[in-house]
Amino acid sequence: DTAVSQTPKYLVTQMGNDKSIKCEQNLGHDTMYWYKQDSKKFLKIMFSYNNKELIINETVPNRFSPKSPDKAHLNLHINSLELGDSAVYFCASSQDHRHHNEQFFGPGTRLTVL
Amino acid sequence: GQQLNQSPQSMFIQEGEDVSMNCTSSSIFNTWLWYKQEPGEGPVLLIALYKAGELTSNGRLTAQFGITRKDSFLNISASIPSDVGIYFCAGRRVQGAQKLVFGQGTRLTINP
Repeated sequence: DTAVSQTPKYLVTQMGNDKSIKCEQNLGHDTMYWYKQDSKKFLKIMFSYNNKELIINETVPNRFSPKSPDKAHLNLHINSLELGDSAVYFCASSQDHRHHNEQFFGPGTRLTVL
Repeated sequence: GQQLNQSPQSMFIQEGEDVSMNCTSSSIFNTWLWYKQEPGEGPVLLIALYKAGELTSNGRLTAQFGITRKDSFLNISASIPSDVGIYFCAGRRVQGAQKLVFGQGTRLTINP
């Protein structure tokens, strides 16, 4: 069984479109994260939710809006996509955000904006 | 900005050789994690370190949490072709937000 899953795996879209990436974890974890990995493979955190509550919100354009309908799901919606949004986006989860930093990552969603 | 310096950025070695990479910071960290990422996949946790001086092994991998709490290293002994990938260190700072900061990664290439 996949622990952290993301859909879609690949996403190719035009500039200006709105798109969503979905993430689900079946580990029973309380905390979920979204990371962006650029072309140089640098991983940077974007958001984190603990039990559906936003706890980390890095300096991310407000075109990016995370939504957590329950603690097993954290979706990422992106409005008005720009060329610079092209990257691989990883979802991750951990048992909680205070004491256990063992984050488990999904397989990633490669977003290409044309 | 980036707060972890990971080196080397890339390594080209022969199968069977030992590998060593490290991560340093100007800030104190209270957790160090080492991940491996293979092409088209997400990072996979290899070793987690929670105490200064801690030395932990996972098969042929050994990692240590530096005494100063500002560095960590990862060693791989007797490398094999499946060790190829990008290795990332990550840490959580004592002060600041409850988030992981990642190093730039070390890309390991192995010649058979």
